[in-house]
Parts: sequence; structure tokens; C-alpha cells
Amino acid sequence: DTEVTQTPKHLVMGMTNKKSLKCEQHMGHRAMYWYKQKAKKPPELMFVYSYEKLSINESVPSRFSPECPNSSLLNLHLHALQPEDSALYLCASSQEGEETQYFGPGTRLLVL
Amino acid sequence: AQSVTQLGSHVSVSEGALVLLRCNYSSSVPPYLFWYVQYPNQGLQLLLKYTSAATLVKGINGFEAEFKKSETSFHLTKPSAHMSDAAEYFCAVSLGGGKLIFGQGTELSVKP
Repeated sequence: DTEVTQTPKHLVMGMTNKKSLKCEQHMGHRAMYWYKQKAKKPPELMFVYSYEKLSINESVPSRFSPECPNSSLLNLHLHALQPEDSALYLCASSQEGEETQYFGPGTRLLVL
Repeated sequence: AQSVTQLGSHVSVSEGALVLLRCNYSSSVPPYLFWYVQYPNQGLQLLLKYTSAATLVKGINGFEAEFKKSETSFHLTKPSAHMSDAAEYFCAVSLGGGKLIFGQGTELSVKP
């Protein structure tokens, strides 16, 4: 089973809202990732969690706040977003010591 | 620094024709290389990966890629295109530690 699930599939939020994106995997992977993807562009890495600890933050604005409550779950808390933050947000996971990342279907976010 | 270049942002082929999507990489060390496919409004699906075990790598859906160190290339091919192959294709190289560097992507169109 190489499935990564993400909820919700679609999200519309105002600039003053607070919302969260959720990602889950049950493959026993110990690394999890958040990416942002704009239309017709490749994914851009935002955060990497390794063994539930934040290991990489690619200078992401503080209005994006990641959280890894356990090894299977990854959240991305959103607050005071801007319209330019509208994008597809992808979660991925990988096995310890492995470079291969498996992606979820994404959450399409629209900020009004 | 490692980088990936995909030649051609858009490739169009006829159904049944050969598919060739080009990817060149720059790396100072033996790389891990990947091809991912993204169908409209979906996440990224792993097509195949090169991890130094064999230079010709077979993937899903009839795709394969050949690692050529002398040409620093990892081109993706499929002998006979199908309408369902229409999608965005991304070549990626791993920097290790969870960092994937993606090419800009190639949109494949398949004409009936």
C-alpha cells in the first residue's frame, strides 16, 4: 500500500480565516513533506519532518504552520493567508533511508 | 549544485507513436533520479526511479527510462502512446535529506 491521503480535497478561505490541511500515511514512513504547487509549475518544497521533528523549513512565511502529531499524521495550519497563497498543496512521505517520495492527491486551496 | 533540465515544455504525439521526454541532470555525485506523472487535478504518481542498480529502468504504464552517465541524461520513453498518457511529466533528482529538485515539467498531449 503506497497511499498518502489528504483532506480536504478543496478549500476556500478568506484572508482572516484559520484552517488546517491534513495528511495521513500508514506505510510506516518516517519522513513527511509539504509542497506547494502553482499552476503549470513544479512542486516547491515547504517543510520536511523526520521522525516527527521539523528538519527543513524552506523559509516559508509564518502564516503557514506545520505540525506532526505522530508518525502517521502531518498537518498544515493556515492563518491570515494571502490570495497569492492559492495553490495545490501536496503532502508526501518516504521510508527511512530512502529517497523515493510518495505523494498524496493534494488539497486545492483558494484564498479570497 | 544539482539541477534538472527538461527539454520541451510541451510535447505532442499521435496515438500509437513513440513518446520521448527528455531530462538532463547535473550532479557532482551519482544521483537518484525519478520520473513522476501528474494527471489534471491530481497529485504526483511515481512512474519509475533510478537508484544505480540498472541503467535501464522499467516503470508503470509501459514507460521506461535509460540512465546515461556520459550524457547526464535520463530520458523517458514509451513505444506506443495512448490517449490516457496525456498528462504533465516531471523529472526529479534527489539531493538527499528529503530534498527533491524537480524539472520544470513537460506537458504531453496525445492526438487521436
